[in-house]
Amino acid sequence: AAGVIQSPRHLIKEKRETATLKCYPIPRHDTVYWYQQGPGQDPQFLISFYEKMQSDKGSIPDRFSAQQFSDYHSELNMSSLELGDSALYFCASSLGQGGYSYEQYFGPGTRLTVT
Amino acid sequence: GENVEQHPSTLSVQEGDSAVIKCTYSDSASNYFPWYKQELGKRPQLIIDIRSNVGEKKDQRIAVTLNKTAKHFSLHITETQPEDSAVYFCAATFRSLSGYSTLTFGKGTMLLVSP
Repeated sequence: AAGVIQSPRHLIKEKRETATLKCYPIPRHDTVYWYQQGPGQDPQFLISFYEKMQSDKGSIPDRFSAQQFSDYHSELNMSSLELGDSALYFCASSLGQGGYSYEQYFGPGTRLTVT
Repeated sequence: GENVEQHPSTLSVQEGDSAVIKCTYSDSASNYFPWYKQELGKRPQLIIDIRSNVGEKKDQRIAVTLNKTAKHFSLHITETQPEDSAVYFCAATFRSLSGYSTLTFGKGTMLLVSP
């Protein structure tokens, strides 16, 4: 079965640079979530989109922005990168049920290293 | 927002023993409780979930129980095998102010199964 696709899988950036992470949800899934996971930590919710509209916002820094496109893929844009942004970034997708989604399936993640 | 407490943080068992991981949640409106297994550097993988209208769910060697009154739920793994070694995260979903669902994760339990 098709899974969530994320690209790139690894990214190395320098401080103050920008980065764009992409996520392609499971076909027919209309809800996308972004999580940040530091070493030894639980996934922290950043932001979500349902039917191409932002549905919720978590601990996402103002330097980050995201959107969901007409084909349901999503991009996380990160600017003015800091050393502390180094982490695994996961995208998850689910099939919304009137906006109240249940099973979330995670992509393989993008490992971002900021030097 | 939702708060999820998970115990223990580490758990070591012998192959063939049972393992139990417990979580409590704070929002009485939470109605969906998934469990994820995460191997080092890999994606969280949904292994079992339970909704608030069910008290127990079983899938082969794993089972989850939910006590809505006490606001706690548990993961039970029987006949553990070395390949069960991983970090396990519980989570609870709640409806945020925007009206959509968001997952809050526990801090994780590192399970080590020794042969």
